[in-house]
Amino acid sequence: DTEVTQTPKHLVMGMTNKKSLKCEQHMGHRAMYWYKQKAKKPPELMFVYSYEKLSINESVPSRFSPECPNSSLLNLHLHALQPEDSALYLCASSHQGQGATDTQYFGPGTRLTVL
Amino acid sequence: GESVGLHLPTLSVQEGDNSIINCAYSNSASDYFIWYKQESGKGPQFIIDIRSNMDKRQGQRVTVLLNKTVKHLSLQIAATQPGDSAVYFCAEARSMFSGGYNKLIFGAGTRLAVHP
Repeated sequence: DTEVTQTPKHLVMGMTNKKSLKCEQHMGHRAMYWYKQKAKKPPELMFVYSYEKLSINESVPSRFSPECPNSSLLNLHLHALQPEDSALYLCASSHQGQGATDTQYFGPGTRLTVL
Repeated sequence: GESVGLHLPTLSVQEGDNSIINCAYSNSASDYFIWYKQESGKGPQFIIDIRSNMDKRQGQRVTVLLNKTVKHLSLQIAATQPGDSAVYFCAEARSMFSGGYNKLIFGAGTRLAVHP
């Protein structure tokens, strides 16, 4: 089973709203990732969690706040977003510890629209 | 700067034909590459990978070729089917040794359109 699930599938929010995106995997993976993907562009890495600790923050604005409550769950809290933040937000996970061949598996994404 | 790129943004093929999607990379130190398929409205799906100590790897109807001399990667799809229509991304995996995981650098993507 290589399934990563994400909720919600679609989200529309205003610039003053607070919302959260959720990601879950039950593959025993210890690395989890958030990516942002604009239309017709490749995914761009935002955050990496390794063993439930934030390992990489790719200079993401503070209006995006990641959280890893446990090894299976990854959240992305959103506050005071801008219309240009509208995108597909992808979660991925990988086993970790496999070095060069650590493969990332992606969820279906959350389509976010900021009005 | 370093990048992973694709030669063709769109590829149109007839059903049943073979497809070849190309990718160039610039970091000669990279030792792991992955191809992902992304259908409309879905997340990227792992297709096949290859390590730098190999020059060819085959899967079911797919083959990845790696030419380290010219830093070129290709994905070959045999007997292309309508269900193969998607955007295909190559990705270069840069190992984060201290963490035991990879940072993926994606190419721009190629859209494959399969016509009946």
